[in-house]
Amino acid sequence: EIVLTQSPGTLSLSPGERATLSCRASQSVSSTYLAWYQQKPGQAPRLLIYGASSRATGFPDRFSGSESGTDFTLTVSRLEPEDFAVYYCQHFGSSLTFGGGTKVEIK
Amino acid sequence: QVQLQESGPGLVKPSDTLSLICTVSGGSINSFYWIWIRQPPGKGLEWIGNIYYSGSTNYNPSLKSRVTISVDTSRNQFSLNLSSVTAADTAVYYCARYGFIYGLDVWGQGTTVTVSS
Repeated sequence: EIVLTQSPGTLSLSPGERATLSCRASQSVSSTYLAWYQQKPGQAPRLLIYGASSRATGFPDRFSGSESGTDFTLTVSRLEPEDFAVYYCQHFGSSLTFGGGTKVEIK
Repeated sequence: QVQLQESGPGLVKPSDTLSLICTVSGGSINSFYWIWIRQPPGKGLEWIGNIYYSGSTNYNPSLKSRVTISVDTSRNQFSLNLSSVTAADTAVYYCARYGFIYGLDVWGQGTTVTVSS
């Protein structure tokens, strides 16, 4: 069973700063099936990145995803006020797995 | 565009069975994987299980003994039954679609289920 470990648990940053979120898989996974989601309070999660690096409809290009082996990274180049939220990585293989989430909060 | 809507009781008694339905509108259920996910208060997302439109299922091993997911293609619905519930099953329950772009691209708004006597 694949385990996705997200770090840090909480990221305290100011608007305009760069956010770097990590998602590490416990074993090799196909990047095709690695996705990221954004969840704001009281809302359902929203697909942000699919295939590890492709942006979903409606998200600006300040959001980007990358991979290096079993490490996947979500980067927000310059945080806007609406970007403060919880972010989850997710993989779908033999089962569907979520990481524990990273909360990006205003410093 | 495709929309999902969860429906079912908001309050379930301990040891009873939690039953939810997800109705798919604006598109056909005949393709894709259809997913149930839950989120306990203040916690992260937990996959419950999924069903392919053909009826094949896959469940979270930690819930497998209590979960049944089924699909009704004639009604464009899929459903979740979770038996022998306890307070630990209190959560927001979401239904979602795993789309061709290999992500959960459509979500329901979520429904809060509380397990309490």
